[in-house]
Amino acid sequence: SQKIEQNSEALNIQEGKTATLTCNYTNYSPAYLQWYRQDPGRGPVFLLLIRENEKEKRKERLKVTFDTTLKQSLFHITASQPADSATYLCAIVWGQNFVFGPGTRLSVLP
Amino acid sequence: DADVTQTPRNRITKTGKRIMLECSQTKGHDRMYWYRQDPGLGLRLIYYSFDVKDINKGEISDGYSVSRQAQAKFSLSLESAIPNQTALYFCATSDPGRANTGELFFGEGSRLTVL
Repeated sequence: SQKIEQNSEALNIQEGKTATLTCNYTNYSPAYLQWYRQDPGRGPVFLLLIRENEKEKRKERLKVTFDTTLKQSLFHITASQPADSATYLCAIVWGQNFVFGPGTRLSVLP
Repeated sequence: DADVTQTPRNRITKTGKRIMLECSQTKGHDRMYWYRQDPGLGLRLIYYSFDVKDINKGEISDGYSVSRQAQAKFSLSLESAIPNQTALYFCATSDPGRANTGELFFGEGSRLTVL
């Protein structure tokens, strides 16, 4: 069956460290993968998109990688700050639609 | 003002009642979606519409119906609400000009509790 998994439900890290979140998928061959941020009680907000022919994408302190052989995307936040605390969702663009992973709740501790 | 507006933001109702969640958008996007979010399950697609005359079922459409009244309006109805429809519901839009690459723009969500 088709499935999208994110490495852990919750991740705690110390301020200033690099947070690494994982998104794994099975039985999909997506051409694109997106990452969203969701704050409590709010709708998800788009962060980054990476295409299958791109190995890496960067935006400020964010970096996303996409390995179609491993069927995995990694999402990195460098020099993390307490304000980065949120739930992060990966989404596969599949056909005309978007299929989401369950999310990882990141807490950056001061 | 928000680009994607959902009403109501919170609703408590009883089993068997009919409920409508409304969504309106000012982004001018043709594509609109309804998702539900449950803890540990992520966002799951209920229905989507690519234009006013186009309605499609998503992954979990049973027990729900939708109406696309105009390009800017997309409503979700629960004809007879049941407790396992308690969830956070999100409306979203996307830009068809960027089909598979454009991001989703979400509303703030409608929290529904069915007693």
